[in-house]
Amino acid sequence: ILNVEQSPQSLHVQEGDSTNFTCSFPSSNFYALHWYRWETAKSPEALFVMTLNGDEKKKGRISATLNTKEGYSYLYIKGSQPEDSATYLCAIRDNFNKFYFGSGTKLNVKP
Amino acid sequence: EADIYQTPRYLVIGTGKKITLECSQTMGHDKMYWYQQDPGMELHLIHYSYGVNSTEKGDLSSESTVSRIRTEHFPLTLESARPSHTSQYLCASSKGLAGTYEQYFGPGTRLTVT
Repeated sequence: ILNVEQSPQSLHVQEGDSTNFTCSFPSSNFYALHWYRWETAKSPEALFVMTLNGDEKKKGRISATLNTKEGYSYLYIKGSQPEDSATYLCAIRDNFNKFYFGSGTKLNVKP
Repeated sequence: EADIYQTPRYLVIGTGKKITLECSQTMGHDKMYWYQQDPGMELHLIHYSYGVNSTEKGDLSSESTVSRIRTEHFPLTLESARPSHTSQYLCASSKGLAGTYEQYFGPGTRLTVT
C-alpha cells in the first residue's frame, strides 16, 4: 500500500487570499497523480491528471505542479472565492494500476 | 457533464441481508471502479474492471463482490451485510487507463448496517 499524505488537513482563508496545498507520495512506482475537488453532497470532480516530472497544469485560478523525483505536488488557488470551498483530494496511480488517495485538504473560504 | 449514476443514494439495512449497490454509466467507458470511504478517512479502491468480464480486487480487502456483464453496468454485492460494512461507496469510470485519463465519479451510496 502506497502512503499519500496531504497537508494541511483544513484551511480557512478570506475571500481574495491565495492558498496552496501539498500532496506527498513515495516516488517509487509512481505512474500518475490526480487532483480532485469534492464539494459537499456532490461527486468528486477531476481537476488535473499529471504524469511527467515538472508538469504544470492550470485551469482558471487553479494550478498544479508535480515533482516526481522528490515525491510532491502543489495545488495553488489564486484569489480564493467562496465557491472554491471544498475538499481537495490527491490520488496516485502506481505502476500496478492501483489508486491511492490522500485524506484531503478541506478549504473554507469566508466572504 | 459526467453521466454516472448510483442507486440507492442512501440505504439503511439490517445485519445479514444481501444488498446490491448499482452503478451505471452512459459514456461507454471501459474502465470502472468502486471505492469505499469511512467517515473522515481516505477513499480506498476495493474493485476495478477493465471491461466486460474483467474484475480485479483493489488495495483494500473487501467482502463485497462485483460483476461486469455489460459495459455500462458495474454492480457491487454484499451477500450478508454487517455493521462493519457501514461506509460510503463511490463508483467511478474512465475512458482509458485512469493513470492518464480522469475518472468520473457517481454521487455515492451511503450504507448503514444496523
